[in-house]
Amino acid sequence: EPEVTQTPSHQVTQMGQEVILRCVPISNHLYFYWYRQILGQKVEFLVSFYNNEISEKSEIFDDQFSVERPDGSNFTLKIRSTKLEDSAMYFCASSGTNTQYFGPGTRLTVL
Amino acid sequence: SQKIEQNSEALNIQEGKTATLTCNYTNYSPAYLQWYRQDPGRGPVFLLLIRENEKEKRKERLKVTFDTTLKQSLFHITASQPADSATYLCALSGNTGKLIFGQGTTLQVKP
Repeated sequence: EPEVTQTPSHQVTQMGQEVILRCVPISNHLYFYWYRQILGQKVEFLVSFYNNEISEKSEIFDDQFSVERPDGSNFTLKIRSTKLEDSAMYFCASSGTNTQYFGPGTRLTVL
Repeated sequence: SQKIEQNSEALNIQEGKTATLTCNYTNYSPAYLQWYRQDPGRGPVFLLLIRENEKEKRKERLKVTFDTTLKQSLFHITASQPADSATYLCALSGNTGKLIFGQGTTLQVKP
């Protein structure tokens, strides 16, 4: 069964450093999403992406964040200058219609 | 602002019984309501989707009801098993695809 994959599974970085989180969505899906979940809190929407552009973003998704689909398979989330409060699980999701399929997540730890 | 409340953070039941989880929402008229399962340290796994014009949906031992007047969904797991122990997330979406999640209910099924 096709699934969404994410790398790395765990990323540790110093405050102020740039990180890139990678996702490979399900191959025939057209809609892509990033969510995050701070430990013990709810899953929060960050951004949606369709037809090579952002279709919607949340207040969390400020100028420090960017997304890209550099080729036909990868979907990336970049955080330019990480802050302590960026520490969270980051989930990528993709969908063909209304159902979103989530990846296993990348745990980002900012020290 | 939109608000989603899921009943009690934890629910403990005996194996074989029916688990009933509640999701209430305010200030929103979702086109879809979805239920996901999340295990510790893992991404949400899609279970069921119900549309605003549907009253009930079933899949194997799972049943979801949706009452747009009460702004409430009930999620039932019949003949529960210890393997059903997990956190269950309610999520709402409109036509943009963005999912708004509740905080989840942790279900513990005891043998």
